Amino acid sequence: DAGITQSPRHKVTETGTPVTLRCHQTENHRYMYWYRQDPGHGLRLIHYSYGVKDTDKGEVSDGYSVSRSKTEDFLLTLESATSSQTSVYFCAISEGSSSGGSTQYFGPGTRLLVL
Amino acid sequence: AQTVTQSQPEMSVQEAETVTLSCTYDTSESDYYLFWYKQPPSRQMILVIRQEAYKQQNATENRFSVNFQKAAKSFSLKISDSQLGDAAMYFCALPGDTPLVFGKGTRLSVIA
Repeated sequence: DAGITQSPRHKVTETGTPVTLRCHQTENHRYMYWYRQDPGHGLRLIHYSYGVKDTDKGEVSDGYSVSRSKTEDFLLTLESATSSQTSVYFCAISEGSSSGGSTQYFGPGTRLLVL
Repeated sequence: AQTVTQSQPEMSVQEAETVTLSCTYDTSESDYYLFWYKQPPSRQMILVIRQEAYKQQNATENRFSVNFQKAAKSFSLKISDSQLGDAAMYFCALPGDTPLVFGKGTRLSVIA
């Protein structure tokens, strides 16, 4: 299994509070991704990173920001959590780009509940 | 923009039988990759199989194989000799405007 951990694994928070989710990898892969998974929507990309300090938006980036100051860590921040951000969040990594055929490997997920 | 459609929200199969999950997609690229992922109740996303579009031969991984029809933009997954452990959500995915575009998934139940 790819060495990917996510913390926390579960979190309950209140509307309006900031939340930071952490993804940590031990594989030294260049690419890292944040997805959210909601019933009926599959997985949707929030943000991704193609190198340290290099990030780009995904399909559902509004209300989220990311940072990557080290190869191994990719942080997802909800500046002011809303109930619509209640979801399961997955981090993924890949050695190269998916368009080039690289496989994405996923972390175990973080379940976030915003009350 | 690339799209991925999985038209079967739920399917079921008897243990030891064969089942095929469908996936159709749209892309303007001529060379690309396609992926099937499995998500069991543990929620861990696991790669099942990968297909390179320029390869004529269908990919196979043990009991899992694909029927890739490039002209029809179809990428179905066949599971042979189904086992209880195959019960999961299955997602088809394609690189697109974002690194991977996922279908909405098919929930597969395996009946003992």
